[in-house]
Amino acid sequence: QSVLTQPPSVSGAPGQRVTISCTGSSSNIGAGYDVHWYQQLPGTAPKLLIYGNSNRPSGVPDRFSGSKSGTSASLAITGLQAEDEADYYCQSYDSSLSGLYVFGTGTKVTVL
Amino acid sequence: EVQLVESGGGLVQPGGSLRLSCAASGFTFSSYWMHWVRQAPGKGLVWVSRINSDGSSTSYADSVKGRFTISRDNAKNTLYLQMNSLRAEDTAVYYCARDDDSSAHAFDIWGQGTMVTVSS
Repeated sequence: QSVLTQPPSVSGAPGQRVTISCTGSSSNIGAGYDVHWYQQLPGTAPKLLIYGNSNRPSGVPDRFSGSKSGTSASLAITGLQAEDEADYYCQSYDSSLSGLYVFGTGTKVTVL
Repeated sequence: EVQLVESGGGLVQPGGSLRLSCAASGFTFSSYWMHWVRQAPGKGLVWVSRINSDGSSTSYADSVKGRFTISRDNAKNTLYLQMNSLRAEDTAVYYCARDDDSSAHAFDIWGQGTMVTVSS
C-alpha cells in the first residue's frame, strides 16, 4: 500500500554512519513535495525527526540529517548510538488519486 | 506542555462502530490542521484522515472513505474519528497528530495512541 519504499533494515556499529533511503515517484517526492522523517522507538508514538527535507526540530541532535534529490530522499545518522535503535519512516504528500499523505514502508535501525 | 491524548479505543465486533477522541492542550487547537494515522500490529504507519483548522474541509484514505468521519470541536479542543462498518483490517493503534504549517506541514506533535481491535 505504501508508495514510498524504504529498506526493511539497516545496521551499524556504535559511532558508524548509516543512511536510509526513501524512494518515491513523480506524484510525490518527484513532484517537489517535502519529505519528513519520523523516529519511532519501541512501544512509543512516532516523533518528528526531520521536516522539510533537511530541517531538524529543536532538540533533535545534529547527528541526524536529511536530503532530497529527484524522486528520492535520504536520512543519515552519523556517530550511531545505542539509543538510535528504532524504526524510521519517511513521509510526503502524493497528488495521485489514491491518497494525499503517504508514509514510507519503514526501516528498522539496529545498533550492533 | 503541548499534548495530544487519545481515548475511545477498544474491542468491537465486525460491522460495529466506535468513536475516537483526541484532546489537545498547550496550544491554540483551532489554528492547526489535524490528522489521524494508524498502525496495525507489527506494521508501518498509514495515514487515515485530515481536517482543516475550522472543520470545513476533510480528506480520507481510500481504505476508510465512506466509513470513517473526522470532525473537531474547537470549543472543546477535541478531535474526533467516527468509525462505522468496522472490519478486521481496521485493527490498529490510532494516533492523532498535529499538522504544523511552519514545519512544511510535518506532523510535529503526536498522541500516545489508542488501540482498536475489530474481532468477533
